Amino acid sequence: NAGVMQNPRHLVRRRGQEARLRCSPMKGHSHVYWYRQLPEEGLKFMVYLQKENIIDESGMPKERFSAEFPKEGPSILRIQQVVRGDSAAYFCASSPARGGTGELFFGEGSRLTVL
Amino acid sequence: QKEVEQNSGPLSVPEGAIASLNCTYSDRGSQSFFWYRQYSGKSPELIMFIYSNGDKEDGRFTAQLNKASQYVSLLIRDSQPSDSATYLCAVANQAGTALIFGKGTTLSVSS
Repeated sequence: NAGVMQNPRHLVRRRGQEARLRCSPMKGHSHVYWYRQLPEEGLKFMVYLQKENIIDESGMPKERFSAEFPKEGPSILRIQQVVRGDSAAYFCASSPARGGTGELFFGEGSRLTVL
Repeated sequence: QKEVEQNSGPLSVPEGAIASLNCTYSDRGSQSFFWYRQYSGKSPELIMFIYSNGDKEDGRFTAQLNKASQYVSLLIRDSQPSDSATYLCAVANQAGTALIFGKGTTLSVSS
C-alpha cells in the first residue's frame, strides 16, 4: 500500500514565478492536510481539504496561496508570484478520518527554494 | 492560532538513560494529543497518541497527559542512539480539523 506521494520533491523557482505542489493521499484516505515547515521551525498548519471541499483554511496566507482537492487527481497547493520567504518544506498528510480523531500520515515533503 | 510549546533543546542523554520530553498547550478544549518523531530531512511519523488523563505505555515509550495543567509529556526509556531525532508534540484543535504542532525538541542520545 503506497504511502502519501508528493511531487516534486525539490522545486526551484525565481521570484515572481508560480509553484505547484502535488499530493496523492494514501489509498482509502479522503482527508488531506498541507503543512509548511520553515528551517528551525515547527510544522505550521495551512489547510485541510476533503474531496472538492476546503474544510479549514485558517492557516493559509490570504494572498498568493490556494489549494484544491478535485474529485479526480491529486491535491494541489499553488503559490503564485513566489517570494524568497516562501522557501520552505511543504508537507502533505492524509488521514482516513478528521485530523483531530486519528493519525496523520505524512508524505516526504516538497522542498521549495526561491531564488 | 492556539499555541503548543516545547523546549527546543537540544536534550542530550547517554545511551540507556530515560529521556523526558515536555509540551504545554493553550487550548483547554483540546481532546487529542500526539507525539511525532522527525529525523533530519525526513517526514514526521507518529509515535503515540493519548486522549485520556494519565499514562499510556507502548514499548519503551510512555505518554503522559494532564488536562488540568494542559501538559503532555513523552518518556523514552533505555534511550538508543537511533532515538536521536526531533520530537514534535501535536494537539488537535477543538473543531477536529487540524493538528497544531509545537516547534519540536531535538533529542541527542550518545553511545
